[in-house]
Amino acid sequence: EAGVTQFPSHSVIEKGQTVTLRCDPISGHDNLYWYRRVMGKEIKFLLHFVKESKQDESGMPNNRFLAERTGGTYSTLKVQPAELEDSGVYFCASSQSQIRANVLTFGAGSRLTVL
Amino acid sequence: GDSVTQMEGPVTLSEEACLTINCTYTATGYPSLFWYVQYPGEGLQLLLKATKADDKGSNKGFEATYRKETTSFHLEKGSVQVSDSAVYFCALSERTNAGKSTFGDGTTLTVKP
Repeated sequence: EAGVTQFPSHSVIEKGQTVTLRCDPISGHDNLYWYRRVMGKEIKFLLHFVKESKQDESGMPNNRFLAERTGGTYSTLKVQPAELEDSGVYFCASSQSQIRANVLTFGAGSRLTVL
Repeated sequence: GDSVTQMEGPVTLSEEACLTINCTYTATGYPSLFWYVQYPGEGLQLLLKATKADDKGSNKGFEATYRKETTSFHLEKGSVQVSDSAVYFCALSERTNAGKSTFGDGTTLTVKP
């Protein structure tokens, strides 16, 4: 079974530019989550999709971030325009169920550096 | 809201030393508790979990016990190996949405031969 795949693994952009991160969850996993780790601090929840619908986007920092999951398969997270404080590692995770402490499977992360 | 506080790192140990990484939490409900590990160049992996008080999670020689009275979930291993070098994250999730987890800052462990 293929794991959660994220692309790109590392992106370096200048302030004001746009970046799009992609996540391919495990096939059949309806639940998809985005998290990020900034400046070596805690990993923070960004949002949660159930299929193509946004279940919870309470962690999205501001309207420069746009997440989509068209067709309920892969997801993209766009940052436009990027700011210095957006630098960090963006993790995607998926799971079959959102209850009963179901295990999350994480991707390797996309490291974003904004100069 | 929920929060997780981990022992600050980095931690450097010699091979075969004992490891304890402290983790305490604050939660509004009755959460499930987790330890995740991130090896260099890899994604987060679930190391162990516990879903109710006094449960002990264990895996790869690591163990942690869910202590409700002290709101703690300390990670322990009796004899570490070089291959255990990684970043360890303590986390919790509420039962209604297991995927929306609250993480600690992470503790970097380096084990020297």
